Parts: sequence; C-alpha cells; structure tokens
Amino acid sequence: NAGVMQNPRHLVRRRGQEARLRCSPMKGHSHVYWYRQLPEEGLKFMVYLQKENIIDESGMPKERFSAEFPKEGPSILRIQQVVRGDSAAYFCASKQTKDEQYFGPGTRLTVT
Amino acid sequence: DQQVKQNSPSLSVQEGRISILNCDYTNSMFDYFLWYKKYPAEGPTFLISISSIKDKNEDGRFTVFLNKSAKHLSLHIVPSQPGDSAVYFCAASAVGGGSEKLVFGKGTKLTVNP
Repeated sequence: NAGVMQNPRHLVRRRGQEARLRCSPMKGHSHVYWYRQLPEEGLKFMVYLQKENIIDESGMPKERFSAEFPKEGPSILRIQQVVRGDSAAYFCASKQTKDEQYFGPGTRLTVT
Repeated sequence: DQQVKQNSPSLSVQEGRISILNCDYTNSMFDYFLWYKKYPAEGPTFLISISSIKDKNEDGRFTVFLNKSAKHLSLHIVPSQPGDSAVYFCAASAVGGGSEKLVFGKGTKLTVNP
C-alpha cells in the first residue's frame, strides 16, 4: 500500500524559472493538501483540493502560485518566476473523508 | 499570530524515562488535535490524535492529554526510546470549519539519550 508520493524530492531552480511539484495521494484518497515549511518553522497550510476543485486556497500567495488536482494524474503545485524566498520544503498530504492527513516525503526547493 | 505554540524548542531525556511535550493553542474553534513526528529530510508521520470531546487518548507508549479550559495539550511518551529522537509537531484543526486544514506549531526536538 504505497503512501503519498512526491516528486521530485529535490529541485533547484534559478530565479525567474518555474517550479512544478507533483503529489500522488494515497490510494483511495480524494483530498489533497499542500503545506510549506521554511527553515526553523512549522508547516504552513497553502491549499486544499479535491478532484478538479480548489476548496480552500487561503494560504496561497496571491501571485505566482497555483495548484490543481485533475481528474486523472497527480496534484501539481506550480510556482512561476521563483524568487529566493520560495526556497523551502513543500509537503503534500492526503486523506479520505474523516481520516488523519498522511504526508509525503516532501520536495525541497532551492532557488539560486 | 501563532495559533498553536510549542514553547520548548528542544527536550532531552534519558532512555526509559518519560518524555512530556507540551502545546498551547489560542483559537477556541479548534476541536481536533494531532501529534506528528518528523525525521530530517522526511515528511511528518502521524502519531496520535484527540477530539475535543475527550481529555485523553492512548496508543501504546503514546498518550495525549487535552485540557480544553487551559487550551493546552501534551504528549507523553513512556518509556522513551532512542528511536523516538525526532522533531514533534503539534497540530490543530477546526473539523466543522470546512477545509480541516492543519495549523502547526514550530515543533519540539526530542533527544532520547541511551
């Protein structure tokens, strides 16, 4: 029973490039959450999606960030025109309706 | 505006003794609380949770206590083992709040010495 999968595990981008982070939820899970962790900080909620719908994006920066969870395929977190401050660990979590959220291993984004 | 606070950045205990990790929250809408354990370069692993209708939940060596009036919860690990050394995050959510997003504390780094 595979857990939450994220790829890539490490991503290096130059300032101004685009970053695409992928998350495949656990089998049978239809709810996906994205969180960001800055150094020495806790995880901060970004966005909550169900299949083909964004349910809560109250934690997403207003510009350059977008997320999707299509009917087929993984959830994607997309960061356009990355800046140094976007360097962080990005975690995806999934759950079924009432379960706890289960986290993936994260993608560590470094912007040079 | 930190709604979930873990005031101890680190804790060191001897193997076999009890570890007590503390967490305070400010938002009275929170009604579900969780503890996650995290190793470096890995994602958080769910440990134990508690609903606001309870004041205690036990799972093996792990017990979570909730004091709603004080807006305080704690995680007890007994007996502590070296493999328990990790960062522990307290998290809270408002189940009736729609998204059930988790609000995390900054974590407590637990070191269990052999």
